[in-house]
Amino acid sequence: AQTVTQSQPEMSVQEAETVTLSCTYDTSENNYYLFWYKQPPSRQMILVIRQEAYKQQNATENRFSVNFQKAAKSFSLKISDSQLGDTAMYFCAFMKRGSSGSARQLTFGSGTQLTVLP
Amino acid sequence: NAGVMQNPRHLVRRRGQEARLRCSPMKGHSHVYWYRQLPEEGLKFMVYLQKENIIDESGMPKERFSAEFPKEGPSILRIQQVVRGDSAAYFCASSPGQGAYGYTFGSGTRLTVV
Repeated sequence: AQTVTQSQPEMSVQEAETVTLSCTYDTSENNYYLFWYKQPPSRQMILVIRQEAYKQQNATENRFSVNFQKAAKSFSLKISDSQLGDTAMYFCAFMKRGSSGSARQLTFGSGTQLTVLP
Repeated sequence: NAGVMQNPRHLVRRRGQEARLRCSPMKGHSHVYWYRQLPEEGLKFMVYLQKENIIDESGMPKERFSAEFPKEGPSILRIQQVVRGDSAAYFCASSPGQGAYGYTFGSGTRLTVV
């Protein structure tokens, strides 16, 4: 079974600053996907960024980038130029890559509440 | 494209009643997933369905919970004889394929059992 750990329950950052949210995971799989989702107060789960484990290059989406360290099983999210609208709960998630139906489960961490301060 | 539609947004049930949660996937999406979020926790997988088939129900409690995704109409998550511990937010998600590019989630149904 896979586990995902987010060790920072809460973080805050000043507007326009950079913040990094940490995530570690435990798996015996070699092929998998990693995701960051954000959940603002509206409760909607929004996909932020996705990483394929077999790709060395770190994924980037505008102000969001990841630092993927496969050997260390670490997948941190960096948010640059933080904006007030980035205030949300951020969840790290893992998905096995495979052909069976059970491979399509997402395993989530417990989340990090990020507050962007004006 | 209206996205993944869940209703109701809020549902209050007395202990022992039945709760029915509905999910209409995004247009063109044939894979549906249900997740439960307890207070202060991340989402936990419950069940994965395709049209008329349950593919993986390994996260579903053995009793009182059932899910379906009929040929026509929305996916339904049914909880019979609800108890206080069923109070949670229930999220539905859909994907066009098997989810490798991430799902699209609905806004969830918050179930409160009184």
